[in-house]
Amino acid sequence: EVQLVDSGGGLVQPGGSLRLSCAASGFIFRTYSMNWVRQAPGKGLEWISYITSSSSTMYYADSVKGRFTISRDNAKNSLYLQMNSLRDEDTAVYYCATFLGSSSYFDYWGQGTLVTVSS
Amino acid sequence: EILMTQSPATLSVSPGERVTLSCRASQSVSSDLAWYQQKPGQAPRLLIYGASTRATGVPGRFSGSGSGTEFTLTIGSLQSDDFAVYYCQQYNNWPPWTFGQGTKVEIK
Repeated sequence: EVQLVDSGGGLVQPGGSLRLSCAASGFIFRTYSMNWVRQAPGKGLEWISYITSSSSTMYYADSVKGRFTISRDNAKNSLYLQMNSLRDEDTAVYYCATFLGSSSYFDYWGQGTLVTVSS
Repeated sequence: EILMTQSPATLSVSPGERVTLSCRASQSVSSDLAWYQQKPGQAPRLLIYGASTRATGVPGRFSGSGSGTEFTLTIGSLQSDDFAVYYCQQYNNWPPWTFGQGTKVEIK
C-alpha cells in the first residue's frame, strides 16, 4: 500500500525557518518525481514545488521561489522542504504528493502537516 | 500559467439529486484534466484523470467529460458521503500545475 506521511509542521515566527519531511513507502520511491502542495486555511490548493527522481530538476512556484528548497534522500525514502524567510501568507497545510500513474496528476497524497507563521 | 476557473463556488443540493460541476481552462489543456474530492480535515482524493477516467475505487456515479477548455464533473445521484469540496487541476502545461478554486457541494 502506498503511504506518504508528512511531518515537521508547527508554529514559527515571521522570518523564521522550518523543515518539512515526507516519509514514503509502498512504492519504489527512487524512481518517481515528488511534489509539495499547500492549502491556506479555508482556501484552495496551490502546487509549490517539484523534484525529479534523481534530484536533477526542481521547480518552484513564484510565491516560494528563492525561499523554499525541495530535496530528497532516496536511501531514506524521504522528501523534504526547507522553508526559509517564512511569511504570514505561508501559513497552510503542506502536503507531499506524487504521480505514480500514467501522467502528472496527483494520485497519492500525504495527510498534510500544518505550518503556522505568526508572531 | 494556465488559469483554472470553477463554477459555481457553492452548490446546495439534496441527496439523490444529479449534480454538475464546471471547470474552465484559460487555454486548451487537451484532456489533461483531473478532479479531486476533499472533505474537511482530509487530503484531496483523486476522482478523475484524463478528463473522464475514474481513479481506482471511485464509484460509478462520478463521471467526467470535456476537452480543450471546458470540463464537467457529474455526480449521478448524490450520496451523503459526496458532500465535499471538488477541485479541478490541469497537468497539460507545467510548471506550474494549477487548480481551480473549488466548488463546495453542501446539503440543501
